[in-house]
Amino acid sequence: GAGVSQSPSNKVTEKGKDVELRCDPISGHTALYWYRQSLGQGLEFLIYFQGNSAPDKSGLPSDRFSAERTGGSVSTLTIQRTQQEDSAVYLCASSLGGGLETQYFGPGTRLLVL
Amino acid sequence: DAKTTQPTSMDCAEGRAANLPCNHSTISGNEYVYWYRQIHSQGPQYIIHGLKNNETNEMASLIITEDRKSSTLILPHATLRDTAVYYCIVRVAAHQTGANNLFFGTGTRLTVIP
Repeated sequence: GAGVSQSPSNKVTEKGKDVELRCDPISGHTALYWYRQSLGQGLEFLIYFQGNSAPDKSGLPSDRFSAERTGGSVSTLTIQRTQQEDSAVYLCASSLGGGLETQYFGPGTRLLVL
Repeated sequence: DAKTTQPTSMDCAEGRAANLPCNHSTISGNEYVYWYRQIHSQGPQYIIHGLKNNETNEMASLIITEDRKSSTLILPHATLRDTAVYYCIVRVAAHQTGANNLFFGTGTRLTVIP
């Protein structure tokens, strides 16, 4: 079946511009996570959605970062006024539920801020 | 805090078994051991997980010591496509329905040699 998909696969932008990254989770998965991975580093948790509950935004690094999930499915991560340190691979994962359900990852969006 | 320690890198001859160790000496009784891998330029891929019993699936076997302070991921017949960074993760279950985001350390870079 279809896995987690993300778009765009690559994004180059200029410092100060806004970017939107999209994630389509696996159908039927109620939990959705956003992570980012800087070059040669492990994953950094950003935000978590579970069903209709309020999202856990505890990992967002600044108020320039926001995310929403419409209709309990597709999610968009928005970065406003991008900075060079925002350059990273942004990964989305989904799971059947929260808790200890296995997370399945998308291919990621490579963001480069010039 | 990844709560796990792994060797930085390992080599394995193609066709041989790859045994990847992981130490998790502070693991709690209700924490699972998960293994993911990340092939270059792709999102992390789930491999296997376990609590205290050994587990096997189509990809790998997981051997967990009786005291649960360490485990070994076994790829029985490594192929060139198994070259990747392998992450051993202890799931930090904050609460049943909360964000059980994955804490990835730096992992083990496995290189399968022809």
